[in-house]
Amino acid sequence: DQQVKQNSPSLSVQEGRISILNCDYTNSMFDYFLWYKKYPAEGPTFLISISSIKDKNEDGRFTVFLNKSAKHLSLHIVPSQPGDSAVYFCAASARNTDKLIFGTGTRLQVFP
Amino acid sequence: GAGVSQSPRYKVAKRGQDVALRCDPISGHVSLFWYQQALGQGPEFLTYFQNEAQLDKSGLPSDRFFAERPEGSVSTLKIQRTQQEDSAVYLCASSSRLGAYEQYFGPGTRLTVT
Repeated sequence: DQQVKQNSPSLSVQEGRISILNCDYTNSMFDYFLWYKKYPAEGPTFLISISSIKDKNEDGRFTVFLNKSAKHLSLHIVPSQPGDSAVYFCAASARNTDKLIFGTGTRLQVFP
Repeated sequence: GAGVSQSPRYKVAKRGQDVALRCDPISGHVSLFWYQQALGQGPEFLTYFQNEAQLDKSGLPSDRFFAERPEGSVSTLKIQRTQQEDSAVYLCASSSRLGAYEQYFGPGTRLTVT
């Protein structure tokens, strides 16, 4: 039972354009959501997070949108840069728990 | 460095051997987590410590897996009688706050059981 789903295994975007990565979840108890970026042979690196009391959080080129009614969140990267090429994981945590539940990841490739 | 460190980075074990994986969290971080990441999958939760107390071990796949953090700092994940299905990357993460929130990951230990 995959509680956090990233249905697009890969995404290819031209440099300078917007990258949109999507994530769906099934557990209505999730109240905190995070995005991580992972390069090969490295651990995941925290990017940005959002609490369920908000619908948007922005940090520089990165913006996360949360649609609670649709149980959907997305990460927007604009403008995309070649250094953004990596695997992006969506993660969620539920009230009164401490563990993160991860999606399967989306591989983003930004080409010149 | 100020990040989470893990050792060894790579470990090859023969089936049936015991292995011990070490995690040094960010100094002062209260919470420490272990995750297992299989090829092509996202990390999956194994266990969680708050200081030296193991508060959640619901993700440990069998009683062959054991984790400890005796002094509330360094943690060791031990796998006894390794099996081929134990082959994965084992990730350690730490957090300065109680609860999940932003967790900071180490580079992982890639375990291959032959």
